[in-house]
Amino acid sequence: EVQLVQSGAEVRKPGQSLKISCKASGFSFTSYWIAWVRQMPGKGLELMGVIYPDDSETTYSPSFQGQVTISADKSLTTAYLQWSSLNASDTAIYYCARGTSWPYYFDYWGQGTLVTVSS
Amino acid sequence: QSVLTQPPSASGTPGQRVTISCSGSKSNIGSNHVYWYQQLPGTAPKLFIFRNDQRPSGVPDRFSGSKSGTSASLAISGLRSEDEGDYYCAVWDDSLSGPVFGGGTKLTVL
Repeated sequence: EVQLVQSGAEVRKPGQSLKISCKASGFSFTSYWIAWVRQMPGKGLELMGVIYPDDSETTYSPSFQGQVTISADKSLTTAYLQWSSLNASDTAIYYCARGTSWPYYFDYWGQGTLVTVSS
Repeated sequence: QSVLTQPPSASGTPGQRVTISCSGSKSNIGSNHVYWYQQLPGTAPKLFIFRNDQRPSGVPDRFSGSKSGTSASLAISGLRSEDEGDYYCAVWDDSLSGPVFGGGTKLTVL
């Protein structure tokens, strides 16, 4: 069974750093793309970027380039999304999703991680 | 502002047929497959239609997808209360070299 299990909800203050995770199982982690998608409160889905874990090739959407870092650990079959300095505007639910085929689309999604940034 | 345009809301009564549209351009819908995602309140998105009109296992045949030119539609027949939620279209955009999402349509069952 394909599963993407994300780390739990986080609360941080502005300026703090954060790294959230997405643990994959039930498929070959190095044969699929893993994407991170942001959903701000009451808003739609925004693709942040994708990584191909086999070679760590990473592509960021223009709005998120330089704002976050996406990485993956093949040995742990886990993808990560991290911030070096959070803003209140980073408050959102973050989903990881598996990208399949080419051009890829997202067939399985994690349960989401709520990140709250507040002073 | 997404490159894919969806109506912000749609509604119908139980048993009715409802259609949600997704409008794009030559570089996205006009050239690539369309995907639809259902997001029920408080849950993660779920793939509901792939490659324009294909249903993943477990998706009721009340849901159907279609594409014509630079537009696509998701039709829901025999509307049920459990269909209430947000629906997003998504498609690869050749100009952006990546997938894009529509703004989403909130479906209300009256």
